[in-house]
Amino acid sequence: AQSVAQPEDQVNVAEGNPLTVKCTYSVSGNPYLFWYVQYPNRGLQFLLKYITGDNLVKGSYGFEAEFNKSQTSFHLKKPSALVSDSALYFCSENRDDKIIFGKGTRLHILP
Amino acid sequence: NAGVMQNPRHLVRRRGQEARLRCSPMKGHSHVYWYRQLPEEGLKFMVYLQKENIIDESGMPKERFSAEFPKEGPSILRIQQVVRGDSAAYFCASSLGGDHDEQYFGPGTRLTVT
Repeated sequence: AQSVAQPEDQVNVAEGNPLTVKCTYSVSGNPYLFWYVQYPNRGLQFLLKYITGDNLVKGSYGFEAEFNKSQTSFHLKKPSALVSDSALYFCSENRDDKIIFGKGTRLHILP
Repeated sequence: NAGVMQNPRHLVRRRGQEARLRCSPMKGHSHVYWYRQLPEEGLKFMVYLQKENIIDESGMPKERFSAEFPKEGPSILRIQQVVRGDSAAYFCASSLGGDHDEQYFGPGTRLTVT
């Protein structure tokens, strides 16, 4: 069955440190994977996606994500966190017109 | 190019009334999605529509909820006989189409049922 897991409800990172927000998927084959960010009282904004090709995908605001087929993971990363990165982050998978979102991970960047 | 528009931004209804939420997709987008989000919770998929067609409504409650995306005009999410449990933020998103296209989200409509 198609599903997306974000195992952490919340991640705390000090400003300037690298950050990772985890996402795993469970569909075999080649999924289409996405990351979105949601700021308070706003809709989601697209950050990046993996369709095919290079496993390391670069996106908006300095974020990147690595597609790892053997671990069925698509973790979101940033080398140096900013306080303004504090938000709710969603991973999603699209396949055969089905869209599944993870439950979200709240990222707190501590000044 | 205007983004996804939703109106109203805030809607207050008494129990038993009807709520109509409107969504205008981005120009050129023919795929529309509706989601519901409760406070401090994730995004719950409701329905996926293309022009004049419902592609997937597996997330829609069986009763009181309906959605349409007519040939002309915005997509409408309609909730009849609202109950307090319908209070939530409802987000609309649009895409060009296809599994590999990202979605663009509107600002949401916050429905409060009193």
